[in-house]
Amino acid sequence: DSGVTQTPKHLITATGQRVTLRCSPRSGDLSVYWYQQSLDQGLQFLIQYYNGEERAKGNILERFSAQQFPDLHSELNLSSLELGDSALYFCASSVEGGSTDTQYFGPGTRLTVL
Amino acid sequence: QKEVEQDPGPLSVPEGAIVSLNCTYSNSAFQYFMWYRQYSRKGPELLMYTYSSGNKEDGRFTAQVDKSSKYISLFIRDSQPSDSATYLCAMSEDSNYQLIWGAGTKLIIKP
Repeated sequence: DSGVTQTPKHLITATGQRVTLRCSPRSGDLSVYWYQQSLDQGLQFLIQYYNGEERAKGNILERFSAQQFPDLHSELNLSSLELGDSALYFCASSVEGGSTDTQYFGPGTRLTVL
Repeated sequence: QKEVEQDPGPLSVPEGAIVSLNCTYSNSAFQYFMWYRQYSRKGPELLMYTYSSGNKEDGRFTAQVDKSSKYISLFIRDSQPSDSATYLCAMSEDSNYQLIWGAGTKLIIKP
């Protein structure tokens, strides 16, 4: 158990809908990362937050947005969902957010878009 | 061309074999190299971390970096069925730069 929690574990929804994925980092970690993992794309970095502020942005679509709250939990919002958005979404956390920090991954949320 | 290339496999070897997993990269400024292991339906976990060139050993695992060839390797000795997982390499220029991930190699150790 990494100490990172993600909810929900599974999510099934329809095209065009909007969903929110939630992540609670390990106690003491200030940085949160979001990743998308699909069978054909591997692990894709989406976005990183550090202590409430956006630190780095990867291949995140405009239909996706995220935020980190004062209590350091984070939410990833996915809107106008398409079939291709079906994937595992991982949240990770680290102490300070440097790329050399160990990232601790949560168990993931499996999103299925029908 | 991707910054980090990694053969997705699957790589299937018999129990007890020595396994070699590799990544190549194009950015000569990379200095920090990591290997993460991901079991099926789980999040990745850090396995090994090396800085610059050279070798690092941890039990049955050895990480090797050859910066002149822009090539990193992870060796697993006396492989076990429990080593069956996807192994992802990741690297960075320094702590101020984003970690760049390989696609992962799926490893299967046959009993």
